[in-house]
Amino acid sequence: AQKITQTQPGMFVQEKEAVTLDCTYDTSDPSYGLFWYKQPSSGEMIFLIYQGSYDQQNATEGRYSLNFQKARKSANLVISASQLGDSAMYFCAMREGRRGTSYGKLTFGQGTILTVHP
Amino acid sequence: SAVISQKPSRDICQRGTSLTIQCQVDSQVTMMFWYRQQPGQSLTLIATANQGSEATYESGFVIDKFPISRPNLTFSTLTVSNMSPEDSSIYLCSVGGGSYEQYFGPGTRLTVT
Repeated sequence: AQKITQTQPGMFVQEKEAVTLDCTYDTSDPSYGLFWYKQPSSGEMIFLIYQGSYDQQNATEGRYSLNFQKARKSANLVISASQLGDSAMYFCAMREGRRGTSYGKLTFGQGTILTVHP
Repeated sequence: SAVISQKPSRDICQRGTSLTIQCQVDSQVTMMFWYRQQPGQSLTLIATANQGSEATYESGFVIDKFPISRPNLTFSTLTVSNMSPEDSSIYLCSVGGGSYEQYFGPGTRLTVT
């Protein structure tokens, strides 16, 4: 069963507008972390934001915020004031379990290609 | 944040040959991870490498095809053996083990002809 689902293969947004990228997840582990990464055409994976399953508040990092709805198992990324440089592939990922031999192993969604129009 | 470098950044290889990819981290880390990203696809974990022990491979990946070394806490190598065009991918190493840090190297873009 797929653990991370990104249902939007592609999204378009006008420059300076906000955009939400969807991510739902499935896990029975009470301890987990959710990540968002940006991958430009160069192929590097740029860490954007993290949300822990026990965090009470939604994570924010500059123009990025994570809309964490635990009961619905969703962790949507909100990018405010989009810029042309935001055009890239965006991946949602989950890390399950406490510190241990598998700690740090990420499961990725299929990604969403974001295109920002001027 | 950890600074991760990978060598080579890209390569074009002949079918049937092998390529070793190096991953260097600027700090000591417990675990290192190797991922593969096939063209147009998401990332898939190949194996987890702990210093001083055998790498742990994910389903669908075997040591004979992807041997991994982890000689110390800052370095690892992944070898792609007996390559075929299906091995054309971006290979990325990643480090973690902290509270939420999970960083990736710049990737190695491999094309097999």
